[in-house]
Amino acid sequence: GIQVEQSPPDLILQEGANSTLRCNFSDSVNNLQWFHQNPWGQLINLFYIPSGTKQNGRLSATTVATERYSLLYISSSQTTDSGVYFCAVEDSGGGADGLTFGKGTHLIIQP
Amino acid sequence: NAGVTQTPKFRVLKTGQSMTLLCAQDMNHEYMYWYRQDPGMGLRLIHYSVGEGTTAKGEVPDGYNVSRLKKQNFLLGLESAAPSQTSVYFCASSPRAGGATDTQYFGPGTRLTVL
Repeated sequence: GIQVEQSPPDLILQEGANSTLRCNFSDSVNNLQWFHQNPWGQLINLFYIPSGTKQNGRLSATTVATERYSLLYISSSQTTDSGVYFCAVEDSGGGADGLTFGKGTHLIIQP
Repeated sequence: NAGVTQTPKFRVLKTGQSMTLLCAQDMNHEYMYWYRQDPGMGLRLIHYSVGEGTTAKGEVPDGYNVSRLKKQNFLLGLESAAPSQTSVYFCASSPRAGGATDTQYFGPGTRLTVL
């Protein structure tokens, strides 16, 4: 099956800093989503982005499908950005096989 | 519009006991999914359904059964719980009408401990 690798696994930043999280995947995809799992365990949809670039406030994401990677940018970090960020993909082989998740990037924003 | 809800939120079982987790969605989505999340890991797909009356196996289906008798509900059953099934279980749904409608929306999770 498709493989998803996220980097870095852990990231500690000061409030106000910017960060870039990376997601590499091993095959072509027709669905790529970024999630934020907050400290209470809730999964929050950030982006649906199998290709192209999107922005939502301080967050933006870019997926280069031909090179099989996606980047999540967080600008002017706040303590509420802390948590685990997951990239999840569904390969384009057809069917409804569900999402394959990476292991996540654990982000800690210190005040 | 409650989105995706899961019942119960927490449960403790003894080895060999059975239980059913309920997922409900009020968005009229065709597709529903059950995932499990183990410590330090991403989610893994257990079973999924592409519509009322259908089910299919995901990556880690052993020890679980599912049913989709109504479009809005997707049930996950453990017939004989084992400690290896201690995990957090997430349900998701998606309209899957192409493009951005393929987005999956997740419930709040059920934390299950098997002693």
